[in-house]
Amino acid sequence: LAKTTQPISMDSYEGQEVNITCSHNNIATNDYITWYQQFPSQGPRFIIQGYKTKVTNEVASLFIPADRKSSTLSLPRVSLSDTAVYYCLVAFLTNAGKSTFGDGTTLTVKP
Amino acid sequence: DGGITQSPKYLFRKEGQNVTLSCEQNLNHDAMYWYRQDPGQGLRLIYYSQIVNDFQKGDIAEGYSVSREKKESFPLTVTSAQKNPTAFYLCASSIYRDGAYNEQFFGPGTRLTVL
Repeated sequence: LAKTTQPISMDSYEGQEVNITCSHNNIATNDYITWYQQFPSQGPRFIIQGYKTKVTNEVASLFIPADRKSSTLSLPRVSLSDTAVYYCLVAFLTNAGKSTFGDGTTLTVKP
Repeated sequence: DGGITQSPKYLFRKEGQNVTLSCEQNLNHDAMYWYRQDPGQGLRLIYYSQIVNDFQKGDIAEGYSVSREKKESFPLTVTSAQKNPTAFYLCASSIYRDGAYNEQFFGPGTRLTVL
């Protein structure tokens, strides 16, 4: 299983763009990268998923370089409600159990 | 309203007692998962099930047991063999579509405290 490494914490201010990078050096050919958001005492919530290049949805963008050894979650114009823990997950999608959550990045958005 | 329910939200047990945590989903999802989360830590996979009547151990299965008799239900039993059972337990499910398991949907969690 691919191990993921993320910064433990990050601070930002309202209205700024936030980029959180996840390192996954031993990612396998069939692995996908998925990001989740978790608020205290709640279950994580899916944000975005990708395999290569760039993926964008209504809340975030995911950038994956050609070697796929890292990925960057980009949150545009964050607000106080974006304060949460963000997890990068590398998953082999054809096997439900082949996925690993890292320790996550605690993002604190300040006014 | 489709979703995943876990009950109870808070659970207290005495040391040495087995306890069963409930997880039900009405999303018609194929796979179900149990995770454990300790304070300030990430999620660790306990067990997962891809189909009814089949399940596999995750990274920290020792001291836990599960069953998958129905597609919508995946109860977790924390046995007395689990050395440090106090934690936040999360259940999740995902659908199998186009040859892959899609994103996981999580329940609200059960916080277990063993006294």
